[in-house]
This record gives sequence, structure tokens and C-alpha cells, in this order.
Amino acid sequence: EVQLVESGGGLVQPGRSLRLSCAASGFTFDDYAMHWVRQAPGKGLEWVSGISWNSGSIGYADSVKGRFTISRDNAKNSLYLQMNSLRAEDTALYYCAKESGDYSPDYYYYYYMDVWGKGTTVTVSS
Amino acid sequence: DIQLTQSPSFLSASVGDRVTITCRASQGISSYLAWYQQKPGKAPKLLIYAASTLQSGVPSRFSGSGSGTEFTLTISSLQPEDFATYYCQQLNSYPRFTFGPGTKVDIK
Repeated sequence: EVQLVESGGGLVQPGRSLRLSCAASGFTFDDYAMHWVRQAPGKGLEWVSGISWNSGSIGYADSVKGRFTISRDNAKNSLYLQMNSLRAEDTALYYCAKESGDYSPDYYYYYYMDVWGKGTTVTVSS
Repeated sequence: DIQLTQSPSFLSASVGDRVTITCRASQGISSYLAWYQQKPGKAPKLLIYAASTLQSGVPSRFSGSGSGTEFTLTISSLQPEDFATYYCQQLNSYPRFTFGPGTKVDIK
């Protein structure tokens, strides 16, 4: 069974750090790019960061750039999000998601996020 | 950065209704658009990718159309299990894949 399990969330004071992990199973982890997506309480989905299969391509939302670092360990089938200088507005449920894709008949490659974990909750409060 | 808007933000509908949700991109994204359904307390579920390709296992009452800057998600006959929030996502600017603000579909 294809599965993603996030961990590492918790209550942390503003300005402190936290490291989230996502353990992947049931698929060949190093074949796929991965992403972190968050959802603040009662709000919509916000893409946070993404990393290609070989860590060669990495991107961040402007809201976390310079504070968060995404990484992966393909030998351990794991994705990470190092979160520094945390703010109250970083309070959210953090999902990891597997990126996949298909070729169209005209040979364009279309991406999508087809597998999601259940999420881990991060609360930033004093 | 590419921004997405969705309309309406909220809609109230009855079982059996035909429902259409619109997603607009701030610049052209070809067909690099996906739709997700999210129910309370659950992770998002992929419905459609490449603007109009139905993900395996998703009922055929869901359909997507559009390209460039305007896209639609249509539910041809709303079922009780379809009451949820729907999000569009652009996947044009790799790997910065932003989401729309969501459309909540509620029971009338």
C-alpha cells in the first residue's frame, strides 16, 4: 500500500525551530518529487515547498523562503522540512504529498499530487 | 508568481444538481491545472489533472475543462458524498505549485 506518514509536529514558541519528517512506503521513493502543503485552521491549502527526486530542483513559497529548508534522504525513503524562526502564522496542519505525472497524447508532461499523508500539526504559540 | 482565483467561494446546492466551479489563473498555464476534493478532517484527494483528465477511480460525474487562464470543474449530478471543498492547483511553474482559495459546496 502506498503510504505517507508525517511526524514531528507539536507546540513550539515563536522564533524556535522544528523539523518535520515524512516516511514513504509502498512505492519507489527516489523516482518521485515530493512536496509539503499546509493548511491553517479553517483556511485553504497552501503549497509550502517542493523537491525533485534528486534534490536538484527545490522551490519555496515566498511566505517561508529563507526560514524553511526542504530535504530528502532517498536511502531512508524520507522527506524533511526544517522550519526555523517560526511565527504564529506558520500554525497549520502540514501534509506531505507525492508528485506524479503523465504524458499527454501531444507529449506534454502534466504533474499532479496523487498521494497525501494525514498530516502533522504545528502550533506556534508562546 | 501565478495567482489563482476561484468562483464562487461558496455554493449551496441540492442532490442531483449540476454544479460548476471556475478557476482563473493570473497568467496562462496551458493545461497545467489539477482539481482536488477535501472533506473535513481529511487530506485532499486528486480528482482531475491536466485540466480535464479524470484520475483513476474518480466517478465520471466529475469533469474538467479549460486551458490558458480559465478552467471549470463540473459535477453533472451532485451526490451526497460530493459535499466538500474543492481546490484548483496550477502546476505550470515547477516546482512552485500554488492552490486556489477553494470553493465550499454545501447542502441546500
